[in-house]
Amino acid sequence: DAGVTQSPTHLIKTRGQHVTLRCSPISGHKSVSWYQQVLGQGPQFIFQYYEKEERGRGNFPDRFSARQFPNYSSELNVNALLLGDSALYLCASSRTGTGAETQYFGPGTRLLVL
Amino acid sequence: GIQVEQSPPDLILQEGANSTLRCNFSDSVNNLQWFHQNPWGQLINLFYIPSGTKQNGRLSATTVATERYSLLYISSSQTTDSGVYFCAVEYYGNNRLAFGKGNQVVVIP
Repeated sequence: DAGVTQSPTHLIKTRGQHVTLRCSPISGHKSVSWYQQVLGQGPQFIFQYYEKEERGRGNFPDRFSARQFPNYSSELNVNALLLGDSALYLCASSRTGTGAETQYFGPGTRLLVL
Repeated sequence: GIQVEQSPPDLILQEGANSTLRCNFSDSVNNLQWFHQNPWGQLINLFYIPSGTKQNGRLSATTVATERYSLLYISSSQTTDSGVYFCAVEYYGNNRLAFGKGNQVVVIP
């Protein structure tokens, strides 16, 4: 089976622009989570979605939003980009998202904001 | 929120050496995973180990949940073991992984 996939792999934007990142979970997985990893740090939780409902939100501003589609794929949207949004954005999938189960990560999208 | 501390932050090993990475966490957890992040940024699953001991080839891990720590053992290290190792935990009802800052491992030939 294919793993978690993300697109695009790399992205360059300028301050103030908007960006949409995409994630497809492993087949059979219904939960998708998004993480931001800045250089030199561990990933930080942004959102979790399960069955199209938001289950959790990390400490990120309202410029960050996400949604999950009926096929369980997900989009992360970031508005009014700042230089500090430059990071690796990681998507993870799991079967139920209820904890006590393995989360699998995609290859990430590298976003550079100039 | 839950605190996750990894030690040592940086480690340089001669090929063939053994090493131990440690992860301390501040609360009871129902999920603990070890990952290896490759140079391209992909987080590779090593172990799902909220308690007990597991082995996979030259790698093994032990989590002592009652004492809130986990250990990752690398035996007979190879240059391909280089990279950053992350410990991540999820505590009950939280539905999110909290990561440590990682262990940067460099294996030299």
